Amino acid sequence: GNSVTQMEGPVTLSEEAFLTINCTYTATGYPSLFWYVQYPGEGLQLLLKATKADDKGSNKGFEATYRKETTSFHLEKGSVQVSDSAVYFCALNPGGANSKLTFGKGITLSVRP
Amino acid sequence: DAGVIQSPRHEVTEMGQEVTLRCKPISGHNSLFWYRQTMMRGLELLIYFNNNVPIDDSGMPEDRFSAKMPNASFSTLKIQPSEPRDSAVYFCASRGSYNEQFFGPGTRLTVL
Repeated sequence: GNSVTQMEGPVTLSEEAFLTINCTYTATGYPSLFWYVQYPGEGLQLLLKATKADDKGSNKGFEATYRKETTSFHLEKGSVQVSDSAVYFCALNPGGANSKLTFGKGITLSVRP
Repeated sequence: DAGVIQSPRHEVTEMGQEVTLRCKPISGHNSLFWYRQTMMRGLELLIYFNNNVPIDDSGMPEDRFSAKMPNASFSTLKIQPSEPRDSAVYFCASRGSYNEQFFGPGTRLTVL
């Protein structure tokens, strides 16, 4: 079956630090991959996506590259801000008319001034 | 675009009462998903619809939970009777032609 594994959290960083959040997946075929972000008290928002191998998704300074050879989709940001404090979810969709997202457990990021 | 709309945003009720949560998906989206989020269990998919037809309800915890989608612009999730362990944030999400889902702001349910 499909599964998404995220690194254990929480993660605490100082402002302007480099961020890496690991995500690996198991899926048949060629899934689409996503990162969602959930700010306190809000719903999940799509942060970025990649639909095929070697695609790089990017948004708000965050990047993730679809690596089929390592089945990974790690999230990176060169310089985090306090406003990036949130929960981050990695997810995959295997594709098809009735497909659904499979989410990782999420990881909480706290950025201190 | 108004995004996915959920109501109410907060609901406090007593054990045994019926609770109805409402969702209006993004216009033109043909798939709708109901999720539940708690600290203990994280994010769980309860049920999803495609073109108003329920596709997978295996995540619905028990018979007290039911969901309907009478038309493309409206869905309900009902809990009858409600119990304290149903307290959670319930999210609705919709999906259009591509694979990404768009989430509503959620309904925070507290059952006393």
